[in-house]
Amino acid sequence: AQSVTQLDSQVPVFEEAPVELRCNYSSSVSVYLFWYVQYPNQGLQLLLKYLSGSTLVKGINGFEAEFNKSQTSFHLRKPSVHISDTAEYFCAADLLRTGNKLTFGGGTRVLVKP
Amino acid sequence: DAGITQSPRHKVTETGTPVTLRCHQTENHRYMYWYRQDPGHGLRLIHYSYGVKDTDKGEVSDGYSVSRSKTEDFLLTLESATSSQTSVYFCAISSETGGGQPQHFGDGTRLSIL
Repeated sequence: AQSVTQLDSQVPVFEEAPVELRCNYSSSVSVYLFWYVQYPNQGLQLLLKYLSGSTLVKGINGFEAEFNKSQTSFHLRKPSVHISDTAEYFCAADLLRTGNKLTFGGGTRVLVKP
Repeated sequence: DAGITQSPRHKVTETGTPVTLRCHQTENHRYMYWYRQDPGHGLRLIHYSYGVKDTDKGEVSDGYSVSRSKTEDFLLTLESATSSQTSVYFCAISSETGGGQPQHFGDGTRLSIL
C-alpha cells in the first residue's frame, strides 16, 4: 500500500540546536512531496515542497528538506531551532501525482527547550 | 493567508444527531477538501470537490456526505453522528491540481460527539 511514514512521533530539542525530522514514503512512481507545520489551534501552513529538479529544497523559516529517491525519503532539517519552532510537523505526498489527493504522515511533534 | 473560514470552530453534540460543518472561501479556488485529524494518523481525506456539484470520495468517506452548490462553500454533513467521528476537521483549498499545487488550510473545527 502507498503510504507516508514519519519515523518519530516526538522530537525534543534544545534551542539553537539542529533538528532533523524523518519522512519516508512508499510509491512506485514519481511523487510530489510537502512539509507542513501546525501551530497550536491552527491549521497547517506550507513549509516547502518538492516537485522535481534539485533534490535540496529550501523553505520558509530556515527549513530545508532533501529528497532522496533511492531511499524514498524526504527529511526536513533546520540548523538552529528557536522556541517558536515548537509545533507539529507533517510530511505529505501526492503519491500518484494526481494533484488532488494528499497522503499525510502521522506527524512529528517538536518541542524546543530553552 | 488564504481566505478560508470554517464554522463552527467548536461543537459538542450527541450520538445520532445530524451535524453540518461549513467551509467558506474567498479565493475563488476550484478545489476544496475536507480532512479529519486524529492523533497518530495525521490528516486523512474525507471528501473533495473539483467544482460546483462535483465531488468525490477520499480515504475515510463512510458516514460523511458533502455538498457544493456554490464555488465558495463546501459543506460536510454527518447524517447520524457517532463517537468515532469525534475529531478535528480541516477544510483545504487549492487553485489547480497537477504541478504540485499546495493546499491551503482553514483553522479547523473541533467536533466532540458524546
